[in-house]
Amino acid sequence: SQQGEEDPQALSIQEGENATMNCSYKTSINNLQWYRQNSGRGLVHLILIRSNEREKHSGRLRVTLDTSKKSSSLLITASRAADTASYFCATSAGGTSYGKLTFGQGTILTVHP
Amino acid sequence: KAGVTQTPRYLIKTRGQQVTLSCSPISGHRSVSWYQQTPGQGLQFLFEYFSETQRNKGNFPGRFSGRQFSNSRSEMNVSTLELGDSALYLCASSSGTGAVGETQYFGPGTRLLVL
Repeated sequence: SQQGEEDPQALSIQEGENATMNCSYKTSINNLQWYRQNSGRGLVHLILIRSNEREKHSGRLRVTLDTSKKSSSLLITASRAADTASYFCATSAGGTSYGKLTFGQGTILTVHP
Repeated sequence: KAGVTQTPRYLIKTRGQQVTLSCSPISGHRSVSWYQQTPGQGLQFLFEYFSETQRNKGNFPGRFSGRQFSNSRSEMNVSTLELGDSALYLCASSSGTGAVGETQYFGPGTRLLVL
């Protein structure tokens, strides 16, 4: 079963616009990561935010984390056609949850040239 | 450094057969995790190996098993294949400090079709 939900399930925008994806999760986490997947291939790691962090930036990416609401958002600024992909949030619980990421259902982003 | 590699990339099997998938982690990485991805269930964790020991296991039947070798390469085996085992199988490696929640680097996956 999945940890949480991602919203929206699909997002269609024009090049140059910003894209915002949201992720909610259910249990306490150690950190939250965002991944990108192109056409059913492997996942590419984008960014990791720890449970004691509220915001993180990497290039055109901005991630926020609100542990009180158990939610995170990923903002991609100035989108490009090459950003077209599925985006997944993945949480890591603490304790002995070695090697286990729990993924959301993903947001399919389409950026039109 | 070379990325995570998985072989084979594509596989077609029939029900009842068994299959072995292979994963070579990034050089120096000691933790390997396996995931199954299907349209219906999404990405689900199968198991994780670290220094040849299974440290964590997801909710999959015993038909799914794995192992890790001393060079950190890992294999997963599915016995008595069912139609529902058709999926993209992904492995991921992490630097292997042993900590929970490390960044995982994924391979391209093995697409298994069971007929």
